[in-house]
Amino acid sequence: NAGVTQTPKFQVLKTGQSMTLQCAQDMNHNSMYWYRQDPGMGLRLIYYSASEGTTDKGEVPNGYNVSRLNKREFSLRLESAAPSQTSVYFCASSDKGARDNQPQHFGDGTRLSIL
Amino acid sequence: AQSVAQPEDQVNVAEGNPLTVKCTYSVSGNPYLFWYVQYPNRGLQFLLKYITGDNLVKGSYGFEAEFNKSQTSFHLKKPSALVSDSALYFCAVSHSGYSTLTFGKGTMLLVSP
Repeated sequence: NAGVTQTPKFQVLKTGQSMTLQCAQDMNHNSMYWYRQDPGMGLRLIYYSASEGTTDKGEVPNGYNVSRLNKREFSLRLESAAPSQTSVYFCASSDKGARDNQPQHFGDGTRLSIL
Repeated sequence: AQSVAQPEDQVNVAEGNPLTVKCTYSVSGNPYLFWYVQYPNRGLQFLLKYITGDNLVKGSYGFEAEFNKSQTSFHLKKPSALVSDSALYFCAVSHSGYSTLTFGKGTMLLVSP
């Protein structure tokens, strides 16, 4: 079972370059999420999509955009990468949102370095 | 608003001993509480969630969590630790009026042989 698949697994960018992180889930989940994980800061929500066709900002949305392409896919775009965006990025999905007490399922992350 | 605190950056325990990883939370209304585990270079894996009315919740890999409403805590426990339990553990909270989870900063559990 694939679950949540993220591509690429690793990427190095130069400051100012753009990039799109891809995420796909095969569990027919309605909700999808993008987080970043930094040492000592836990996971912080960047954007989420409660259902196909909707997206909302999370705790740290600045410098990012998202697209819910269809029910399976949710992409995260960095338009002009900055060193502060060096992080590990995780995509997650859930059948319903957190208000319905449903667990989230995570991909294995994209490790992104901005030089 | 909602928040969660994991007061210990690291917990050290010897194999075979009981372990506790602490979590306290703050929400308006009834909480939805979760524990996740993260192994190196992997995503988070769901361990267990609080079920309303159950003060002791059982989850994967022999873990359980104790809910205490008066202390607003949801501590993760295991009666006998294994070296393979060494990992990063996250507590997370939400509630019925909120559509996203808030995660704690994580606690590194190190189990020594």
